[in-house]
Amino acid sequence: GDSVTQMEGPVTLSEEAFLTINCTYTATGYPSLFWYVQYPGEGLQLLLKATKADDKGSNKGFEATYRKETTSFHLEKGSVQVSDSAVYFCALSRDTGNQFYFGTGTSLTVIP
Amino acid sequence: KAGVTQTPRYLIKTRGQQVTLSCSPISGHRSVSWYQQTPGQGLQFLFEYFSETQRNKGNFPGRFSGRQFSNSRSEMNVSTLELGDSALYLCASSVWTSGDFPYEQYFGPGTRLTVT
Repeated sequence: GDSVTQMEGPVTLSEEAFLTINCTYTATGYPSLFWYVQYPGEGLQLLLKATKADDKGSNKGFEATYRKETTSFHLEKGSVQVSDSAVYFCALSRDTGNQFYFGTGTSLTVIP
Repeated sequence: KAGVTQTPRYLIKTRGQQVTLSCSPISGHRSVSWYQQTPGQGLQFLFEYFSETQRNKGNFPGRFSGRQFSNSRSEMNVSTLELGDSALYLCASSVWTSGDFPYEQYFGPGTRLTVT
């Protein structure tokens, strides 16, 4: 079945460090891929998405490229800020329905 | 435009009781999905409703049920609560019109259920 695997956390970085959170997926067909972010006490917010192979999603300095050959959608940011501290979820959705499959989440803490 | 609202935000119940959680989607959104979030299992899909019909269902026991009303508001019910049902229950809504996938899901803040 469809599934998403993302790197275990927690991740702790210093401000302005480079961030990579790995995400790989298993799915039949051509899923759409997403990164969601959850700040403390809040629901999830869409960070970025990509709908087909080689698409690059980007938002707020975060980027992720849909790599079909490696079934991956790694999240990157060149210079993290304290305000980026949150839990990040990788997710997929297939075009046959509105069901999302989420990874287990990666907690990021950025220290000044 | 108001976001997804969920009530109540916090709930404490005892084993064996039942509970009903409510979700009001964003105006105009016709699809409502429910998720259970726990530290060990992450986010797990419970079910999705569209136009008062359950369209998709995750792998949860029959104690978990839901419904959607004509105004797209949704409720989920858990009967005979177990300790393992303690979790954050998230509701997400999305607009569903024919055309481009994927439909972004907008999440509410969740209902924190504690079963003692």
